Amino acid sequence: AQKITQTQPGMFVQEKEAVTLDCTYDTSDQSYGLFWYKQPSSGEMIFLIYQGSYDEQNATEGRYSLNFQKARKSANLVISASQLGDSAMYFCALGKYNNNDMRFGAGTRLTVKP
Amino acid sequence: NAGVMQNPRHLVRRRGQEARLRCSPMKGHSHVYWYRQLPEEGLKFMVYLQKENIIDESGMPKERFSAEFPKEGPSILRIQQVVRGDSAAYFCASSPRGQPNRSGNTIYFGEGSWLTVV
Repeated sequence: AQKITQTQPGMFVQEKEAVTLDCTYDTSDQSYGLFWYKQPSSGEMIFLIYQGSYDEQNATEGRYSLNFQKARKSANLVISASQLGDSAMYFCALGKYNNNDMRFGAGTRLTVKP
Repeated sequence: NAGVMQNPRHLVRRRGQEARLRCSPMKGHSHVYWYRQLPEEGLKFMVYLQKENIIDESGMPKERFSAEFPKEGPSILRIQQVVRGDSAAYFCASSPRGQPNRSGNTIYFGEGSWLTVV
């Protein structure tokens, strides 16, 4: 069974500072992917970043980077230079490599303060 | 940019009525997923479909809920005899056929359909 955990219901960060959103997972699969999505107040789900279980380097996409620690089964999202527009819900998700299924964490609500 | 299209965006139903939510996947995508998001909760997987087949419905409630993805037309999530507890946002997502790609074969979400049962 796959399980994904986000332990931070809410986080606050000052504008222009960096913030780390935690995500841990549990899976018996050897091949899997980890995803982060952003859900602003408007409701849509926006794909941010992906990390494959066999990727040796941490994924980066602009201001987003994924701190992947496979042995610890964690895939934390780091947002650098926070902007007011980053205020949203952030979801971590675990997917099987052939993407037949994805499991989502409960989400973390990030608030960026001016 | 023809992404995943869901309609209606907002739907109000009285208790006991039926709700039908539609999802048109991205062009070229044959895999469709439905998720439910209850207030202040994360996304919960409901069902995964390919054209004309239900692959995994382990997240679907046993009664009143059904889903289909016909050969032609959108995927439909049907909720019969709705109750207040069905009020939620329902998200559809789609993905291309199985091959890994640079983006990790991610799934793409629609903007969601908000169901309110009064």
